[in-house]
Amino acid sequence: AQTVTQSQPEMSVQEAETVTLSCTYDTSESDYYLFWYKQPPSRQMILVIRQEAYKQQNATENRFSVNFQKAAKSFSLKISDSQLGDAAMYFCAYRRRRDDKIIFGKGTRLHILP
Amino acid sequence: DGGITQSPKYLFRKEGQNVTLSCEQNLNHDAMYWYRQDPGQGLRLIYYSQIVNDFQKGDIAEGYSVSREKKESFPLTVTSAQKNPTAFYLCASSIVGQGYEQFFGPGTRLTVL
Repeated sequence: AQTVTQSQPEMSVQEAETVTLSCTYDTSESDYYLFWYKQPPSRQMILVIRQEAYKQQNATENRFSVNFQKAAKSFSLKISDSQLGDAAMYFCAYRRRRDDKIIFGKGTRLHILP
Repeated sequence: DGGITQSPKYLFRKEGQNVTLSCEQNLNHDAMYWYRQDPGQGLRLIYYSQIVNDFQKGDIAEGYSVSREKKESFPLTVTSAQKNPTAFYLCASSIVGQGYEQFFGPGTRLTVL
């Protein structure tokens, strides 16, 4: 069975600094998708970034980028120039290409220190 | 604006009562999902549906029921058989196939008194 592990329940970073959130996953599939979702205090889930496993190039969205290591089954999220609005719960998620279900990690709560 | 709506935002019920949570989407998505979120547990899948009049159990379906009579709607009933129903419930939808992401509603907080 596929699993997603986020080993850091909570993290803190100074405003304007860079922070990296870790995620590992376990799968025997070769074709799949990985996501990072953000859940701010409003609890509205928002997609941050999406990575297709067959693409070697790491996905980037403005200040958010990933380090996708397929062989190591690692998918970390880097947030550059952290802002107060980045404070949220971040969930790593996995989806097989041939499946419509997404498996979520337990989340990392990110605090931004002013 | 396209999106997903969930109502109500907060819901209170007495023990032993069934309660239905509403989820509506106007994104023309075929697939819809219900998740339960508890502190420290992440999101756990309750039920999902890929097409009208069909749905499948997720990881924690016991004590819950759903229906999918219309493409836009996927209501979740929390029955009295659910032993610990107090939680935050999220509804989501997506395009079927091709690894599309899921879009989420704002959630419903259910509290059993």
